Amino acid sequence: DAGVTQSPTHLIKTRGQQVTLRCSPISGHKSVSWYQQVLGQGPQFIFQYYEKEERGRGNFPDRFSARQFPNYSSELNVNALLLGDSALYLCASSFDTNQPQHFGDGTRLSIL
Amino acid sequence: AQRVTQPEKLLSVFKGAPVELKCNYSYSGSPELFWYVQYSRQRLQLLLRHISRESIKGFTADLNKGETSFHLKKPFAQEEDSAMYYCALRGQGGSEKLVFGKGTKLTVNP
Repeated sequence: DAGVTQSPTHLIKTRGQQVTLRCSPISGHKSVSWYQQVLGQGPQFIFQYYEKEERGRGNFPDRFSARQFPNYSSELNVNALLLGDSALYLCASSFDTNQPQHFGDGTRLSIL
Repeated sequence: AQRVTQPEKLLSVFKGAPVELKCNYSYSGSPELFWYVQYSRQRLQLLLRHISRESIKGFTADLNKGETSFHLKKPFAQEEDSAMYYCALRGQGGSEKLVFGKGTKLTVNP
């Protein structure tokens, strides 16, 4: 049974560039959430999508955006990358709002 | 504001000893509390949720609303329990947003 899958696993970018991270939820899960995890910290909430609509947004600048597709997969886009955007980006899915979230392995983003 | 505090960054115990990982929260309402665990080179995975009131891998956690705590306990630690543990809170009102603590790294020595 496939869990949450994220791509790519690692990514290296330079300041000012743009990046797109992808997430496929567990089959049947309609909700996807994105988190940023900086080294030494717990995951921090970025976005939540449910049934293709944004349900929540964390305290991140407008450079961060996301969307959810009809097949419930999701993309996280970050524009004008800064050194501080270097982190592990985690995607989590759940069946509905009352169920626990299941996490992917994450995408490690490094900004040079 | 929602906040989760895990006061211990590192915790080291010997095999067979009891272990308690502390978690305190701040939330004006009735939150849902979780413990997530991350073993070496593995993804973050759910260990416990307070509404299930179950024991997983010998771990239990009780929500204490008076002390706003959700400490994780195990009476006899095993070496395979060595991992990173995160306490997380989810508020009520339709948002699935999880608020995580900074985590506690548990090391169980032989």
